[in-house]
Amino acid sequence: AQSVAQPEDQVNVAEGNPLTVKCTYSVSGNPYLFWYVQYPNRGLQFLLKYITGDNLVKGSYGFEAEFNKSQTSFHLKKPSALVSDSALYFCAVRAVYGNNRLAFGKGNQVVVIP
Amino acid sequence: GAVVSQHPSWVICKSGTSVKIECRSLDFQATTMFWYRQFPKQSLMLMATSNEGSKATYEQGVEKDKFLINHASLTLSTLTVTSAHPEDSSFYICSASKLNTGELFFGEGSRLTVL
Repeated sequence: AQSVAQPEDQVNVAEGNPLTVKCTYSVSGNPYLFWYVQYPNRGLQFLLKYITGDNLVKGSYGFEAEFNKSQTSFHLKKPSALVSDSALYFCAVRAVYGNNRLAFGKGNQVVVIP
Repeated sequence: GAVVSQHPSWVICKSGTSVKIECRSLDFQATTMFWYRQFPKQSLMLMATSNEGSKATYEQGVEKDKFLINHASLTLSTLTVTSAHPEDSSFYICSASKLNTGELFFGEGSRLTVL
């Protein structure tokens, strides 16, 4: 079964500084990897995904993530954080061959300090 | 882009009543819909997978008689919380898998508060 680890509970970063949210995964075979963002009392908004191709994936709102197969990681990054980036971030994985069930990490609260 | 609508967004009910939450894919057909439950500041917990025209598959520990799921068409799935109790208060989110592509799209969630 697939699983995701997001080791940090909260990530604090000053506005304008680089933001990194860590994610490692476990899956049988090749993975599909996703990042979602959630604002209070809202559903999940899709940020980006890795399906195949370039390991560096660019997504919405200036976010990007790098797929590293050897380290089974898919860390989310943004070069310059904004206060409006403060939210809950979820990494998710599913196997390429299988159903569409996503395994979510526990989420990371990102707090961008003005 | 593909839109998934959940209704109601907020619902408050008395203990013992039943509440129905709808999940609609507005501009695409969804072969599969997923229902999740989320507690404050926690991850999404998959409750069940519903496929159009067949019975839902429930995750271990989820009471199927408590959480009734119907997926009558390719654009609508419903979750009914029967005889709701305060411990059922939670944020419920659905996602829909787009026919042919398998892409997943999430609803905005429904906040249930049982008094």
